[in-house]
Amino acid sequence: DQQVKQNSPSLSVQEGRISILNCDYTNSMFDYFLWYKKYPAEGPTFLISISSIKDKNEDGRFTVFLNKSAKHLSLHIVPSQPGDSAVYFCAASDTGTASKLTFGTGTRLQVTL
Amino acid sequence: ETGVTQTPRHLVMGMTNKKSLKCEQHLGHNAMYWYKQSAKKPLELMFVYNFKEQTENNSVPSRFSPECPNSSHLFLHLHTLQPEDSALYLCASSLGTIKNIQYFGAGTRLSVL
Repeated sequence: DQQVKQNSPSLSVQEGRISILNCDYTNSMFDYFLWYKKYPAEGPTFLISISSIKDKNEDGRFTVFLNKSAKHLSLHIVPSQPGDSAVYFCAASDTGTASKLTFGTGTRLQVTL
Repeated sequence: ETGVTQTPRHLVMGMTNKKSLKCEQHLGHNAMYWYKQSAKKPLELMFVYNFKEQTENNSVPSRFSPECPNSSHLFLHLHTLQPEDSALYLCASSLGTIKNIQYFGAGTRLSVL
């Protein structure tokens, strides 16, 4: 049973436009969420996180939104750049099983010129 | 020096071989992790070490044997593996284990023949 789901395996966006990547979760105990970016032949790189006490966190071009009632989070990238082309993973944890991050399957983002 | 270094990057082994994967972190972190990523599946946590003590074994078969001699080094000893064990093995580290960002190495791509 997959507790973190990224239902879109791929997304293509034009340079300069907004990229929106979505993630749904089923475990109501999750209270900390992270987004990672992965380029080919590299390990996942931390991008941005959000705690369940917030509904938005912003870092430069990246904003993560959390909707606890819908058990949904999204990552917005604006403006999108060609260098943003990568696989994006959503991950979640709960304080009770602190060390365990549960990952989604990833969304491949391609930013076209 | 990169933060988390994994060696080797690629490994091909037969089912009767014994090999080891190595991970080293230069970030001063106290927790280290092994993950497995199979094709089209999310990252699966295998083991967690915190201050050199194993705190989580996610029902991993005994043919995978971790070792953490100190907070900077983590090994995964492999013996009598099966072809279905072929995957990308990722090491990560974090400062602690509660709401801490995990930093990943580039991974070892393992093929079991």
